[in-house]
Amino acid sequence: GDSVTQMEGPVTLSEEAFLTINCTYTATGYPSLFWYVQYPGEGLQLLLKATKADDKGSNKGFEATYRKETTSFHLEKGSVQVSDSAVYFCALDNQGGKLIFGQGTELSVKP
Amino acid sequence: GAGVSQTPSNKVTEKGKYVELRCDPISGHTALYWYRQSLGQGPEFLIYFQGTGAADDSGLPNDRFFAVRPEGSVSTLKIQRTERGDSAVYLCASSLQGNSPLHFGNGTRLTVT
Repeated sequence: GDSVTQMEGPVTLSEEAFLTINCTYTATGYPSLFWYVQYPGEGLQLLLKATKADDKGSNKGFEATYRKETTSFHLEKGSVQVSDSAVYFCALDNQGGKLIFGQGTELSVKP
Repeated sequence: GAGVSQTPSNKVTEKGKYVELRCDPISGHTALYWYRQSLGQGPEFLIYFQGTGAADDSGLPNDRFFAVRPEGSVSTLKIQRTERGDSAVYLCASSLQGNSPLHFGNGTRLTVT
């Protein structure tokens, strides 16, 4: 069945460092891909999405490109801030809203 | 504006008891989803409503779990004869329609002792 695998955390970075969180997926067909973020004490929020191959989703300085050839959707940010500290979830949607999530990657950014 | 509201935020119950978890979706959202998130894991799909009907309940783990949405708005997830393994955060999400982005509530943390 469909699945999502993301790099294990926690990831600890200094402020202004470059961030990459790897995400790969297995799916039949052409799923939509998402990154969700969960800040401490808050609910899951959609960070960005891409609906077809080679699409780039972007928001708040974060980017991810839908790579069908490598079945990947890696999350990147050029310069992280302390306020980016959160848990990040990669997810796919192959059936109209029935999201399949990765296990989450905790990011901690130190000043 | 108001987001997805889930009550209670925390629920502690004894093994074998019955619990109900409530979800108030964003007004006007026709699609409603329940997910379960165990510690250190990503959310796992339980059930999806389109309007009043359950369009997909393939994620419900067994017949102790049941969910309703009688008027196409508020939904209740019901768990009978709770077990310690049911302890998790239960998340509700809604969307304008099936293919729109999901808006999640803050979840109900269920602890079965």
